[in-house]
Amino acid sequence: NAGVTQTPKFQVLKTGQSMTLQCAQDMNHNSMYWYRQDPGMGLRLIYYSASEGTTDKGEVPNGYNVSRLNKREFSLRLESAAPSQTSVYFCASSVTGGYGNTIYFGEGSWLTVV
Amino acid sequence: KQEVTQIPAALSVPEGENLVLNCSFTDSAIYNLQWFRQDPGKGLTSLLLIQSSQREQTSGRLNASLDKSSGRSTLYIAASQPGDSATYLCAVHPGEYGNKLVFGAGTILRVKS
Repeated sequence: NAGVTQTPKFQVLKTGQSMTLQCAQDMNHNSMYWYRQDPGMGLRLIYYSASEGTTDKGEVPNGYNVSRLNKREFSLRLESAAPSQTSVYFCASSVTGGYGNTIYFGEGSWLTVV
Repeated sequence: KQEVTQIPAALSVPEGENLVLNCSFTDSAIYNLQWFRQDPGKGLTSLLLIQSSQREQTSGRLNASLDKSSGRSTLYIAASQPGDSATYLCAVHPGEYGNKLVFGAGTILRVKS
């Protein structure tokens, strides 16, 4: 029962480097999400994908791109990492983006940009 | 813009105590409110979901209440145990399609044995 799987768990980047966070879910969910969590600020939505082939910006999309590769996978790319992107990133999924659907989270990816 | 605040930011209690965590939100036009638990180094696990038409939800030793008109929710934990130690987050659903939850910063709970 894997649920939502994120890789890598930890990553250190230098300013200006690029990287992709991978996320996969095995629950046949339609909707997937990327959040970031910063100390004292709760989780903030970066991008979400209501269904395969669609993506939409969340609250803090600047500096990120996403790809919904297929129904299972939703990746988050940092094209030119900045220290302000040091954070914990969570991928999540739900059956649909509809009201009140339970949302399932991965265990997080700790990213440090130096 | 919806804002969610959780008080206190941290709480330390002896085992066996009953405790209350608070969550407030600025816009009462919500569809539902959820409480999540987050263990160190882990993701979030949904504990309770209260629809806007409901006043409370219960699961085991947990009881969550919602007063939409005043923009407040409480999470009551009865007979706390060391295993309850975690960060508790509340999140509101603003009613737009898509699970665009707005989260509070969380309350870090430590239950001492």
